[in-house]
Amino acid sequence: SQQGEEDPQALSIQEGENATMNCSYKTSINNLQWYRQNSGRGLVHLILIRSNEREKHSGRLRVTLDTSKKSSSLLITASRAADTASYFCATIGQAGTALIFGKGTTLSVSS
Amino acid sequence: GAGVSQSPSNKVTEKGKDVELRCDPISGHTALYWYRQRLGQGLEFLIYFQGNSAPDKSGLPSDRFSAERTGESVSTLTIQRTQQEDSAVYLCASSREGARNTEAFFGQGTRLTVV
Repeated sequence: SQQGEEDPQALSIQEGENATMNCSYKTSINNLQWYRQNSGRGLVHLILIRSNEREKHSGRLRVTLDTSKKSSSLLITASRAADTASYFCATIGQAGTALIFGKGTTLSVSS
Repeated sequence: GAGVSQSPSNKVTEKGKDVELRCDPISGHTALYWYRQRLGQGLEFLIYFQGNSAPDKSGLPSDRFSAERTGESVSTLTIQRTQQEDSAVYLCASSREGARNTEAFFGQGTRLTVV
């Protein structure tokens, strides 16, 4: 079964607005990661947050983690058209080995 | 190499034929992953290699799918007797130690079309 599930499935905003995506997962994790995918090809790693961390920042990205609720959020501030992409969260699967990805959130930023 | 390399980038095959997809991970990366992504869908885990440990094959959808990796180098994903539902982008990723500690780096994928 999939470990991570993103919400919403699709999000459309204007440039300059903030975008928030949520991820819920089912089992205990070691870390949670967010990735971005352009045009249905290779993914790019954005940020990794460990289970003992609650918040992490990287440029315009802010990630929070609530292990009690088994959820994480990705906030992109002051969005740009170039942020248009699909965003995935990923956690370690139940077997404790591979990264298991959710279905993703498709973000569209219009100028 | 500079990044994860996958070949071919595109493959069109006839239903029933076998195909072999190749992944060259980043040098020194002990962990290697294969995923399948159907159009508009998320990433479906297929198989995971970590060093010399037995691979995690729990994601392989049927016995038509198999993968090999020699040491910490190249991996091949083989799909036998391809079916139309096998059409997808197959993504490979590698990481230094495995998902517990580090990020995964992805190749650009192989787009497989079964006609």
